Amino acid sequence: AQSVSQHNHHVILSEAASLELGCNYSYGGTVNLFWYVQYPGQHLQLLLKYFSGDPLVKGIKGFEAEFIKSKFSFNLRKPSVQWSDTAEYFCAVNSNSGYSTLTFGKGTMLLVSP
Amino acid sequence: DADVTQTPRNRITKTGKRIMLECSQTKGHDRMYWYRQDPGLGLRLIYYSFDVKDINKGEISDGYSVSRQAQAKFSLSLESAIPNQTALYFCATSDPQRGETQYFGPGTRLLVL
Repeated sequence: AQSVSQHNHHVILSEAASLELGCNYSYGGTVNLFWYVQYPGQHLQLLLKYFSGDPLVKGIKGFEAEFIKSKFSFNLRKPSVQWSDTAEYFCAVNSNSGYSTLTFGKGTMLLVSP
Repeated sequence: DADVTQTPRNRITKTGKRIMLECSQTKGHDRMYWYRQDPGLGLRLIYYSFDVKDINKGEISDGYSVSRQAQAKFSLSLESAIPNQTALYFCATSDPQRGETQYFGPGTRLLVL
C-alpha cells in the first residue's frame, strides 16, 4: 500500500520568506504526484501535479515542486510567500496504473504573517 | 456554475439518525469519491466508484454506505450517525485520462450531537 508523509504539521513564516514543504511517499512503482491547497473555509484545489517528464513542475501562484525519484520525494517550494498563501497544503500520490486511488498526506498548515 | 456540488453544505443531526449527503457533477467523469477530513488526519477515503456499476470500500467505510444513482450522482449515507462521524465530507471526481487528477466539491460540514 502506498503512503505519504508530510514532515511539518505547522509552518509559520513572515511575508517574503522562502517556503519549502517536505513530502515523501512510499510506493514501489511509477507514480503520479500532486499538491493540493485548501484556503480557509474552502475546498481543495489543485496546485500542481507531476505525471512524467521534467521533474521540476511549476504550478499556479508561483509554486513549484521537484520530484526526486531516488529520494521518493516531491517537495513544494515558493521563493517568496505572501499573506494570501496562508492555507493548508496536502501532498498526494497514486500509481499510474489507471486503477489507483489517491493517497493524501496529513497536511501542512502554513501561516504567513504580514 | 460549480462542476462538483454537494448538498447540504452544513448539517446538524442527532446520534442514531440516518442522513444522506449528496454529490452531483457536471464534469462527465466516471470516477467519483467520498472523503472525510479531520484536523490533523488529512483526507481519508470512505468509498469510491469507477463507474455506475462499480462501488468500492475505501480506508474507513465502516458506518457508511453509498449509492451511485447515475454517472453524475454519488450519495453517501450514514445509517445511524454517531458523534465521531462529525467531520468535513468532500466528494470528488477524477478523469483517468488526466492521471486521476481529482476535482473536489465544496464540502459538507456535519455535526453529530
